Amino acid sequence: ETGVTQTPRHLVMGMTNKKSLKCEQHLGHNAMYWYKQSAKKPLELMFVYSLEERVENNSVPSRFSPECPNSSHLFLHLHTLQPEDSALYLCASSRGTEAAGYTFGSGTRLTVV
Amino acid sequence: GQNIDQPTEMTATEGAIVQINCTYQTSGFNGLFWYQQHAGEAPTFLSYNVLDGLEEKGRFSSFLSRSKGYSYLLLKELQMKDSASYLCAGLDSNYQLIWGAGTKLIIKP
Repeated sequence: ETGVTQTPRHLVMGMTNKKSLKCEQHLGHNAMYWYKQSAKKPLELMFVYSLEERVENNSVPSRFSPECPNSSHLFLHLHTLQPEDSALYLCASSRGTEAAGYTFGSGTRLTVV
Repeated sequence: GQNIDQPTEMTATEGAIVQINCTYQTSGFNGLFWYQQHAGEAPTFLSYNVLDGLEEKGRFSSFLSRSKGYSYLLLKELQMKDSASYLCAGLDSNYQLIWGAGTKLIIKP
């Protein structure tokens, strides 16, 4: 347990489904992140939230929709995904967006069928 | 463009020493991180270097040469539990992390 909890750990969904990934941290961090990790590729930063406001969106397709209701919780809403979206989705948190001392969650392994 | 290069996979023997190299090109530089990631688990912080030289932390050491854009992670007295992926990441002038694809380290008895 790292202090950042992600649920579910595994998710299989059809291309027409709607699902949500959840991330929770109680480390007192004020920045949270969604990353996509595909095999043999660098981590791809998807979204950054600082003090519950989105500060960065790295040109992510609109089928991924983030939500940050408070500083401890982060969601990633998924709809009409494609098979190439299958990957490990990692959540991370840090004290500030400029300090890169991340604490990562264990990730959600997503398979789109 | 910004880029981090590291080998895709390495194999080493239990009890031996292995060095995982990383070269980086970033817009500005504010340090270099190494993370360890076991299969199916969260990446965990190993080291951060911002000055040239070697930082030792138990069996693990990390080296940085800013003039060469180069770092390595040195693992001594390898144990089976060291089998994992090792991620190199550079911190650019905007304090954003630029990630390598990771090096999968396989330890054999």
